[in-house]
Amino acid sequence: DTGVSQDPRHKITKRGQNVTFRCDPISEHNRLYWYRQTLGQGPEFLTYFQNEAQLEKSRLLSDRFSAERPKGSFSTLEIQRTEQGDSAMYLCASSYSAGQDIAKNIQYFGAGTRLSVL
Amino acid sequence: AQSVSQHNHHVILSEAASLELGCNYSYGGTVNLFWYVQYPGQHLQLLLKYFSGDPLVKGIKGFEAEFIKSKFSFNLRKPSVQWSDTAEYFCAVKPLLGTASKLTFGTGTRLQVTL
Repeated sequence: DTGVSQDPRHKITKRGQNVTFRCDPISEHNRLYWYRQTLGQGPEFLTYFQNEAQLEKSRLLSDRFSAERPKGSFSTLEIQRTEQGDSAMYLCASSYSAGQDIAKNIQYFGAGTRLSVL
Repeated sequence: AQSVSQHNHHVILSEAASLELGCNYSYGGTVNLFWYVQYPGQHLQLLLKYFSGDPLVKGIKGFEAEFIKSKFSFNLRKPSVQWSDTAEYFCAVKPLLGTASKLTFGTGTRLQVTL
């Protein structure tokens, strides 16, 4: 399977604990995105990387959230001091950006990590 | 900032019925438009996309969508739905210009196809 891979698929934690999720993009993709999806809503953008550079962050990404993509390959999303409002599906997507070749700039999504904060 | 509206939250159809799901966006500039589908228990998958050219685009599984620029709409259609089309459908928009690379999604439409 060469799709976007996310781990774990489901995480249950207690309020106040820290959690970390991992995303492995499609191997040749240079862009990686994080989204959050709550029940009854569409995915909402959190942040994205081009290679190892974090180029955009949403206002949804409070200072308890941090994302990294240290070598331009996999990425981690950490949530510190989790709150019940953080319960959601966290989705990762990747795409290949090649200048004006927009036909390739399609985002492919992973299965997501479902976070439940008790 | 751009936004996307999907007016139908839950649609129930019998097999072989025709489908049209509405999608309107608000953004003043040029956009790329997408429909994604999420089958039960599966991840989001691209159904079809519009970048430029012919405003009527065809996707997988017999779906098509028409971009009407004057109406800021990108409605999804299928002439005859199947039980296997039961899923949640999301419309998304991405501005073409500037540094913004994110997709802005609508709230989704849950389609239930009955036998």
